[in-house]
Amino acid sequence: SQQGEEDPQALSIQEGENATMNCSYKTSINNLQWYRQNSGRGLVHLILIRSNEREKHSGRLRVTLDTSKKSSSLLITASRAADTASYFCAPTGGNNRLAFGKGNQVVVIP
Amino acid sequence: EAQVTQNPRYLITVTGKKLTVTCSQNMNHEYMSWYRQDPGLGLRQIYYSMNVEVTDKGDVPEGYKVSRKEKRNFPLILESPSPNQTSLYFCASSRTGSSGGHEQFFGPGTRLTVL
Repeated sequence: SQQGEEDPQALSIQEGENATMNCSYKTSINNLQWYRQNSGRGLVHLILIRSNEREKHSGRLRVTLDTSKKSSSLLITASRAADTASYFCAPTGGNNRLAFGKGNQVVVIP
Repeated sequence: EAQVTQNPRYLITVTGKKLTVTCSQNMNHEYMSWYRQDPGLGLRQIYYSMNVEVTDKGDVPEGYKVSRKEKRNFPLILESPSPNQTSLYFCASSRTGSSGGHEQFFGPGTRLTVL
């Protein structure tokens, strides 16, 4: 299936440390998106990386994509308590449908 | 302000009593979608719509209906709710395009409990 699978599923780090999450998927994609969800709220789009891109930056976020390994990673540098949230990857094919994974829960300890 | 709104935000109902959750977006987006979120299962797509009068099943459509009569609205209908439809529901919208998969904007969620 196209569904993303995040790893690790839970991560606890100290404020100021970097947080790295991985996402794997099984089919070819047009792009891959990462979203954040604060407890019980709607998802917020973080970053989109296209299948012909290998790395993308947005503020403290860095996303990589390796289509040969069908994997992506999200790095949050210099984490803050406000980064505590669940993070979802969503591989996307040509039909506009996003196949969300189960999410990765990140806790940043002040 | 660009946004997706859902109503109601919270709903407690009983088995078999028909209900509708409304979703509206003000961004002139073609694509709209409904998801449900359950612990340990992540977000699963219920139905989606590529444009007015064009709807299609997602991964878990059983027990749900949708309609897309206007571009801005995409209501989710539960004709006969059952307890296994207790969940957190999200509506989302986005542009469409040949490159596929644009940023989706999510509503705040509707927490539904079916007794």
